[in-house]
Amino acid sequence: DAGVIQSPRHEVTEMGQEVTLRCKPISGHNSLFWYRQTMMRGLELLIYFNNNVPIDDSGMPEDRFSAKMPNASFSTLKIQPSEPRDSAVYFCASSSPQGGANTGELFFGEGSRLTVL
Amino acid sequence: EDQVTQSPEALRLQEGESSSLNCSYTVSGLRGLFWYRQDPGKGPEFLFTLYSAGEEKEKERLKATLTKKESFLHITAPKPEDSATYLCAVQAFGNEKLTFGTGTRLTIIP
Repeated sequence: DAGVIQSPRHEVTEMGQEVTLRCKPISGHNSLFWYRQTMMRGLELLIYFNNNVPIDDSGMPEDRFSAKMPNASFSTLKIQPSEPRDSAVYFCASSSPQGGANTGELFFGEGSRLTVL
Repeated sequence: EDQVTQSPEALRLQEGESSSLNCSYTVSGLRGLFWYRQDPGKGPEFLFTLYSAGEEKEKERLKATLTKKESFLHITAPKPEDSATYLCAVQAFGNEKLTFGTGTRLTIIP
């Protein structure tokens, strides 16, 4: 199994530009999570989907952030316009019907490191 | 709001020197407490799930324990390959999301 695939791995952009991060979950997994990791705040949940439907987006910082899951094999996290304080590592994770809700086992991608200048 | 506090922030041990990492939590109805390992430049990797006070789980040199207020990750005779950041997370009943602590960065010196 290829695991959770995220792209790009690194993104450097200028303030005000639009950023789109992409995620392909593990096949058969029905829950998808977007987390942001910084040194100061650790891993913070931004939003999660179950069966492609957003369940909890209370962690999305503000209207500049949006996430979509058009089908079971693809999700995007968009930041428009980006700001320097958005610099962080963004992780996507997925879990199976028997996993996340039961054992807490999430499978994480390798992350997208975003730097906004 | 669910909260997880981990201590210490960083820990350096000599190879073979046993120690424990702490995870204190507050959650409205604990469904599970989870330990993850994160290597530099990688995503977190699942280690254990604990569901109730008194429960213990073991994996190689790691043993996780749980009380009503905190969890400990005991590391026995660690090796350099155990160096990583160890993350603790909690999940409340009725909610699939995990709330993470900021982690303990463990370094094992040969």
